[in-house]
Amino acid sequence: DIQLTQSPSSVSASVGDRVTITCRASQGISSWLAWYQQKPGNPPKLLIYATSSLQSGVPSRFSGSGSGTDFTLTISSLQPEDFATYYCQQAHSFPLTFGQGTRLEIK
Amino acid sequence: QVQLQESGPGLLKPSETLSLTCTVSGDSINNYYWSWIRQPAGKGLEWIGRIYVSGNTNYNPSLKSRVTMSVDTSKNQFSLNLSSVTAADTAVYYCARGTYHTRGKDYWGQGTLVTVSS
Repeated sequence: DIQLTQSPSSVSASVGDRVTITCRASQGISSWLAWYQQKPGNPPKLLIYATSSLQSGVPSRFSGSGSGTDFTLTISSLQPEDFATYYCQQAHSFPLTFGQGTRLEIK
Repeated sequence: QVQLQESGPGLLKPSETLSLTCTVSGDSINNYYWSWIRQPAGKGLEWIGRIYVSGNTNYNPSLKSRVTMSVDTSKNQFSLNLSSVTAADTAVYYCARGTYHTRGKDYWGQGTLVTVSS
């Protein structure tokens, strides 16, 4: 199985801050990486697919980059509604796997 | 507006079979693939498997011996069976839609909590 390791596991930030979350794969996954946002009591929401493509309706302050084994999710200017847990997920090979999550908290 | 809704028993005893159905509304079940994902309380996401409208499936090897998925295109539904459940199977179970060209899961059900307890 492909292991995905996210860092940091949690981060505290303020509204307006720029935040970057990284996801490292245990082997190359080409560009088949997605990012999801999850708020308590809700299902995950797709933000980014295929490393850098923004899902319809997602604000442009979210962006993704990377290739191979190293990927990043960047939120350019945090808004109050962005405080949530973020997961990366690889869609390169079965079984599909998720990172352990990064909890983004208000400072 | 595409909507997915999970349904099924919320409480099971050890060794029973978990059976959940996901009903899709707002779009045809065709042209997509359909996944099940679970999340124990306070923990991360685990992919269980997915099914195509052809009936072809991919399962997580960690659960493969106990998992069966099926699809009913006439009802716009797909289902999950997980046999011989234990307390470790207690989780919120989500169904989700996948698209071939993005490989992302763009629509999710709200999730249903399944508790396994004697």
